[in-house]
Amino acid sequence: GAVVSQHPSRVICKSGTSVKIECRSLDFQATTMFWYRQFPKQSLMLMATSNEGSKATYEQGVEKDKFLINHASLTLSTLTVTSAHPEDSSFYICSARDGRVAQSQYFGPGTRLTVL
Amino acid sequence: GESVGLHLPTLSVQEGDNSIINCAYSNSASDYFIWYKQESGKGPQFIIDIRSNMDKRQGQRVTVLLNKTVKHLSLQIAATQPGDSAVYFCAENRSSNYKLTFGKGTLLTVNP
Repeated sequence: GAVVSQHPSRVICKSGTSVKIECRSLDFQATTMFWYRQFPKQSLMLMATSNEGSKATYEQGVEKDKFLINHASLTLSTLTVTSAHPEDSSFYICSARDGRVAQSQYFGPGTRLTVL
Repeated sequence: GESVGLHLPTLSVQEGDNSIINCAYSNSASDYFIWYKQESGKGPQFIIDIRSNMDKRQGQRVTVLLNKTVKHLSLQIAATQPGDSAVYFCAENRSSNYKLTFGKGTLLTVNP
């Protein structure tokens, strides 16, 4: 149980285009999902917290208009990188919290974004 | 700002040896700590967790020690195997806030 998937696993796009990444909880309802970004040889940095049915909460320094988050259902959150640039190239990882399990947080496999 | 950090960025051990990975945290309000293993190109994998009302917790081949006095966390891996080679992160949060703060990570390399 407690599986989180991400799609796509890998994406290459041209500079200026937008890319949507999906995060799904497969066997539980995720009241909260989190989006992280990880640059090579670095740690995970929290970008935003996504709550179902409400606006995402962004961490300091993360542009909300650049990284659009939608959490339309209890099993799906999407991150859209708008007008992507090479510096947005990174490993994007989501996690999902199962509200029935205290302090649970299950991570997805990550999405490798390369912007040319 | 408050953060979670690691003393050693890399650790190389021989297969069969025990490994110890350390982590220092500075947020005294943290009450929950987790160790994750991350293999190349994959998401973090939960290893073991510990709450602040404990100072030791054991799992299969792994032990986490928590010293709240000096704000130090360690992960011990017994009989390290090549499959244990990965980057290990500690993370902390407060039960009132589900956001995790990750440490810098330690690359563990197990030599056969």
